[in-house]
Amino acid sequence: GEDVEQSLFLSVREGDSSVINCTYTDSSSTYLYWYKQEPGAGLQLLTYIFSNMDMKQDQRLTVLLNKKDKHLSLRIADTQTGDSAIYFCAESLSGNTPLVFGKGTRLSVIA
Amino acid sequence: GAVVSQHPSRVICKSGTSVKIECRSLDFQATTMFWYRQFPKQSLMLMATSNEGSKATYEQGVEKDKFLINHASLTLSTLTVTSAHPEDSSFYICSARDTGGGHGYTFGSGTRLTVV
Repeated sequence: GEDVEQSLFLSVREGDSSVINCTYTDSSSTYLYWYKQEPGAGLQLLTYIFSNMDMKQDQRLTVLLNKKDKHLSLRIADTQTGDSAIYFCAESLSGNTPLVFGKGTRLSVIA
Repeated sequence: GAVVSQHPSRVICKSGTSVKIECRSLDFQATTMFWYRQFPKQSLMLMATSNEGSKATYEQGVEKDKFLINHASLTLSTLTVTSAHPEDSSFYICSARDTGGGHGYTFGSGTRLTVV
């Protein structure tokens, strides 16, 4: 079945880059997503990547996909205190199937 | 962009009572919506897939008679927690995808249910 794994914690200094890693098991995954969750709130879509892409950049966010190793990463450049949150990696087999989430990585930004 | 409105944001109810949570797609139509449950410091667990005009599809281990889902229109799905017990206390989140275009699933802001 599908499984998504993430490290649980990451701590970085303000201004540094953050890299959050994710591995998944289902090679049929077509869409891969990164969501951000602030305390007590729902999930905010940050970015997504299709399985036929290797890299996608959107302002401070860069997503790298290594399909061979089934590894996805999210790099946040110039990390700010407002970036402190839980970041979820998620996969979907198609555009209409439910997402499978990792356990989330809690990012703490130290001023 | 696509917006999903979820209400209430927080509810406290007594054991044995029922609670209804609404999930609305505000500016798009959603034939399918998903209901998730999130325990503290844990990931989101899919409970059920809500299909407009037909029965919901429940994940293994989720009691369909306890978690009633109704998807009566293309913009509204409701989750009713019946005969709530303290162990039902959790954070419930719905999501939907704009089938008219765009990518990614939009999530509601979540409902914190506390059963006392």
